[in-house]
Amino acid sequence: NAGVTQTPKFRVLKTGQSMTLLCAQDMNHEYMYWYRQDPGMGLRLIHYSVGEGTTAKGEVPDGYNVSRLKKQNFLLGLESAAPSQTSVYFCASSSAGNYGYTFGSGTRLTVV
Amino acid sequence: AQSVTQLDSQVPVFEEAPVELRCNYSSSVSVYLFWYVQYPNQGLQLLLKYLSGSTLVESINGFEAEFNKSQTSFHLRKPSVHISDTAEYFCAVSDLAGGYQKVTFGTGTKLQVIP
Repeated sequence: NAGVTQTPKFRVLKTGQSMTLLCAQDMNHEYMYWYRQDPGMGLRLIHYSVGEGTTAKGEVPDGYNVSRLKKQNFLLGLESAAPSQTSVYFCASSSAGNYGYTFGSGTRLTVV
Repeated sequence: AQSVTQLDSQVPVFEEAPVELRCNYSSSVSVYLFWYVQYPNQGLQLLLKYLSGSTLVESINGFEAEFNKSQTSFHLRKPSVHISDTAEYFCAVSDLAGGYQKVTFGTGTKLQVIP
């Protein structure tokens, strides 16, 4: 049982480049989330999804887009990367009525 | 709106000593409360949670937390820490409103266990 898998694990981008982070879960969870983690700031919600085909903005959505075309996958896109987007990105999922997130192992992104 | 405050950013403690990591929350509705642990270069793992019932909840590795509604606190404790407990600990709150589980995380407390 893999749980939540994030790819890639590391990436270095140049300012202005684009990329997509992939999150896949095999637990049939309804809800999926993207967070960023920065030192001293805890985890901040970027976008979330309550089901296939639906997405919504979180606390810090600017500069990011998401898609959830399949229930098991949640993609996070950066259209034009900026140094301020240097961070560790975590995907998480949860099911209705079972409170508690399952996290992926993270993607460390550096924008130079 | 809900919020979580972890008062200590770092807590050094000697091995086999007790430890308490403090967490206070605010919310206008009833809440669920969580502690997550993050080991270096890993994702967060659920340590324990309070949903309802007994206000004292325990984890499988000896941690416990007590929900105190009057003080709006959910402090994490362990009577005797081990080197392997060195990690960052996040308190989180989830309210019961809305159609999905919206969770707010604290800024984390780094527990450093000293040999």
